[in-house]
Amino acid sequence: DIQMTQSPSSLSAFVGDRVTIACRASQNINNYLNWYQQKPGKAPKLLIYAASILQGGVPSRFSGSGSGTYFTLTISSLQPEDFATYYCQQNYNTPPWTFGRGTKVEV
Amino acid sequence: QVQLQESGPGLVKPSQTLSLTCTVSGGSISSGSYYWSWIRQPAGKGLEWIGRIYTSGSTNYNPSLKSRVTISVDTSKKQFSLKLSSVTAADTAVYYCAREVWDDFGDYSHFDSWGQGSLVTVSS
Repeated sequence: DIQMTQSPSSLSAFVGDRVTIACRASQNINNYLNWYQQKPGKAPKLLIYAASILQGGVPSRFSGSGSGTYFTLTISSLQPEDFATYYCQQNYNTPPWTFGRGTKVEV
Repeated sequence: QVQLQESGPGLVKPSQTLSLTCTVSGGSISSGSYYWSWIRQPAGKGLEWIGRIYTSGSTNYNPSLKSRVTISVDTSKKQFSLKLSSVTAADTAVYYCAREVWDDFGDYSHFDSWGQGSLVTVSS
């Protein structure tokens, strides 16, 4: 299975901060990488797919980049509603699909 | 807008079989290039993909659970189901059903719709 490693596992930030979360794959996954946001007690919500394509309705302050084994999710100006846990997920080639362990963004 | 809703017992005894059903509304379960997945999340932990089914009945399972998992679909009822046998406390989690869709070019997939989640506790 492809292992996904996120860093950091948690971070503290303020409203208005630029935040970057990293995700590393255990092998080349090209750009078969998705990012999700999860708030407590809620299902994950898709933010970005194919490493850098913003899902419809997602604010433009979210962006994704990377290819191969290293990827980042950036929030350009953190808003109060962005405090949540973020997960990367790979879907390269064939299942099983795997997720990173998550990055919790908190005050 | 498609909606997914999990249903099933919230408490299962050790060694028994966990059974959950996901009902799809607001859209078709059998049209389009969709896979229907089950994903779980133990309390305070990350997400684990369990497996998926296509409306043809074709399935893929996580090798870590494959010997215990069965996913089936009933297109007439717009439902797909999960059965996980021989459960232990380690199977206690929130179980999500989700739709996997492809982009317009059919190259990249992602989970675009999720159920609200169903907490299943394994305990005697």
